[in-house]
Order: sequence, then C-alpha cells, then structure tokens
Amino acid sequence: EVQLVESGGGLVKPGESLRLSCAVSGFTFNNAWLTWVRQAAGKGLEWVGRIKSKASGGTADYATPVKDRFVISRDDSNNMVYLQMNSLKTEDTAIYYCTTGYSNDGVYHGDDAFDVWGQGTMVTVSS
Amino acid sequence: QSALTQPASVSGSPGQSITISCTGSSSDIGRYNYVSWYQQHPGKAPKFIIYEVTKRPSGVSNRFSGSKSGNTASLTISGLQAQDEADYYCSSYTGRNTLVIFGGGTKLTVL
Repeated sequence: EVQLVESGGGLVKPGESLRLSCAVSGFTFNNAWLTWVRQAAGKGLEWVGRIKSKASGGTADYATPVKDRFVISRDDSNNMVYLQMNSLKTEDTAIYYCTTGYSNDGVYHGDDAFDVWGQGTMVTVSS
Repeated sequence: QSALTQPASVSGSPGQSITISCTGSSSDIGRYNYVSWYQQHPGKAPKFIIYEVTKRPSGVSNRFSGSKSGNTASLTISGLQAQDEADYYCSSYTGRNTLVIFGGGTKLTVL
C-alpha cells in the first residue's frame, strides 16, 4: 500500500525556517515524482511545488508565492522527501500535504494528478 | 496564476444529479486535458476522483463523471447520496511556473 507520512510541522515566528519531512512507502520511490500541496484553514488547496525523480533530473519546481524561499529535496536511500521553508510569512500558515500521482494499484496518474495523500502536517507562522 | 473558478456551493436531494463547474482560461483548462477533481470531507485529506478530464481512478464510483468544454470543466455526481456531502476541488495543469492550479472549492450539501 502506498503511504505518505508527513512530519515536522509546528509554530514558528515570521522570518524563521522550518523543515517538513515526508516518509514514503509502498512503491518504487526512486521513480516517484512527489508534490507538496497546502491548505490554509477554511481555504482551498494550493500547489506548492514538486520534485522529479533522480532519473528525470531530480529538479524541483515551485509555485510563484514560495519560489526563492522554499526548497524541495529528496533522499532516495531513505525514501524521504523534504520541504525546507525559509523566510516564513504569516500567509504560509496552512496544513501541508505530501502527495503523489502513484496509486495503490501501481498505476501512475501523472505529475498533475494526486492519488495518494499523507495526513498533513500543520504549520503556523505567528508572532 | 489565478485560481480556477468554482461555485461556492451547490445542493441536491438524495438520488438527484448535480454538476459543479470549474472555469479556467485558454492557458490551462482550455489548453490541456489534465483536469482532475478531488473530494474532501472535513478534517480529512483530499480524495482523488477524476483525472485527465474524464477518467476515474480504480475504486471510484461510476456515479462520478467529468467533462470539459472550452475553458470550463465539469464534475457530475449522479444518484446523490448523503456521503457525497463534502467539498470538491478541480485542478488543471498549466505548464507555467505554478504547474498546477486548483479551484477555490465547492461545498456540496445533500438536502
């Protein structure tokens, strides 16, 4: 079964940094492109960024509001993906989800369609 | 990029059908057949219900169907059931810096 488990959320002050982790299991991690999506309280979903597999270059792309502040990385030896968040702003307050286009039946739905989601981790940026 | 536009709320009675629209632009929905839909119950992670405009992932009820015309995608739920009451979000690939954009969400109430 494909499972994603986020951790690392918490309360930080504006301008501080925080690193979120996502532990991945249940499929071939090396081939996976992984995405972070966030959701502010009572608001909609927002794509944050995604990282390609190492075979596809291992590069990351970011949404405009977080570009130059957030960095996504991966550790293929430990099946982990990370979201390093720097220069945090109050508007970054949200639940952060790790997600992938891989399904539990082994089908890959693509880079833009998110089949399996973690439970989310809450990030609060407040003074 | 601006979010896709969805109605804030829709409602229907059990057994009826409802349709939720999702309007984008010629740069996203109008250009790509990469529209997905998600169902989200309160306090839960989103559930994937439609991809590539019309396709259903394994295990998703055939009461859920998707379509697209021009810059607008739609999700239709037929034979409404109480457990369908949830928030629904559309998304589209954009090919730009923000690779995927979501709609603002639609709250479905089953009367």
